[in-house]
Amino acid sequence: GAGVSQSPSNKVTEKGKDVELRCDPISGHTALYWYRQRLGQGLEFLIYFQGNSAPDKSGLPSDRFSAERTGESVSTLTIQRTQQEDSAVYLCASSLVASGANVLTFGAGSRLTVL
Amino acid sequence: AQKITQTQPGMFVQEKEAVTLDCTYDTSDQSYGLFWYKQPSSGEMIFLIYQGSYDEQNATEGRYSLNFQKARKSANLVISASQLGDSAMYFCAMRGFSGSARQLTFGSGTQLTVLP
Repeated sequence: GAGVSQSPSNKVTEKGKDVELRCDPISGHTALYWYRQRLGQGLEFLIYFQGNSAPDKSGLPSDRFSAERTGESVSTLTIQRTQQEDSAVYLCASSLVASGANVLTFGAGSRLTVL
Repeated sequence: AQKITQTQPGMFVQEKEAVTLDCTYDTSDQSYGLFWYKQPSSGEMIFLIYQGSYDEQNATEGRYSLNFQKARKSANLVISASQLGDSAMYFCAMRGFSGSARQLTFGSGTQLTVLP
């Protein structure tokens, strides 16, 4: 597609429920990133995928968070047993490769509210 | 590990004046890239400018320029002739060129307000 597409744009859930957030990267981009942005704060790295290499999961805050990506296509970020502190905007970005001057193009984000 | 520091939580500038947003970084990588992004109140992340660690010239993109001082590990963004539409949050970020440093690490941001 022309840009990075994320869905849903807004999600309200109850504490303890599982949620899935979806990211469709720019066609041909081999690298895909997930970031979390809490209200009024900076971007917190969660995970990135580079082609068929093992993902870098070093930013995932707990084992309730997981992400998958098949090849160079869509990625899904799953948060199990959501907590109120999970409330944030979850941003997805893609780039040609995960290196150098390759610019990350961001999606509009998925705003998650946990009640 | 990489670290980005933006020490100015908020900045004000008069319309048509220039403003400098500070960014310092720390990394053990020899090769790396520095980025600036703009985030308006709408929430989208907009790429502004890039500087490679081995680039001899400071990067420029229209009204944006990057004052890169490698020895001081600083990569300040200069916006010339500020416009009301420049009011936004600005993030400095860096990425290494190898190994585990390929994630883009962001600073905490600077909220810029342009006054009419």
